Amino acid sequence: SQQGEEDPQALSIQEGENATMNCSYKTSINNLQWYRQNSGRGLVHLILIRSNEREKHSGRLRVTLDTSKKSSSLLITASRAADTASYFCATASYYGNNRLAFGKGNQVVVIP
Amino acid sequence: DGGITQSPKYLFRKEGQNVTLSCEQNLNHDAMYWYRQDPGQGLRLIYYSQIVNDFQKGDIAEGYSVSREKKESFPLTVTSAQKNPTAFYLCASSISPGKENSPLHFGNGTRLTVT
Repeated sequence: SQQGEEDPQALSIQEGENATMNCSYKTSINNLQWYRQNSGRGLVHLILIRSNEREKHSGRLRVTLDTSKKSSSLLITASRAADTASYFCATASYYGNNRLAFGKGNQVVVIP
Repeated sequence: DGGITQSPKYLFRKEGQNVTLSCEQNLNHDAMYWYRQDPGQGLRLIYYSQIVNDFQKGDIAEGYSVSREKKESFPLTVTSAQKNPTAFYLCASSISPGKENSPLHFGNGTRLTVT
């Protein structure tokens, strides 16, 4: 099955800085979703971008999607200590019955 | 508040014993899912159910079993046939199975340790 794959980063930034993480995938998709996971907890859905969209915003989050490169990026602006978490991208494909395929996650630490 | 409840949060079992993980949702979602998460790996799908009394194998179903007798409940049994059962197990649900653009809602997981 296809996999969303984040750049294998453990990102450590100062509060107030921007955090960017990337995700690549292998096959055609219907949509791409980003999730956040705090340590020892379940995942929380952040944002969904459809295959015909190129950019989407939600609060301090900005997601881009480049279907020609099969990649997406998640930007968190003006980071806060509470943004410390792991971030996962997940792709949904019509051929996979829209079952989500998750990447391995990016760990982000925001230093106060 | 609507949500997904997984219990217990921590579970310890001896090797060779079956164990059942609970997952209950009050979101009135049709679809429910079980994922396994291991350190350094993404989530891997074990089983999913699109409707009551029906379920399908995911990518790593061997050694696991499920039932879906009620819309609200989707328990997962980890059998003694599962070779590496120690992991963090996550249950999720979504509004409609296979519906495009339907995000998942997750429970807070059960950490299973088998010794």
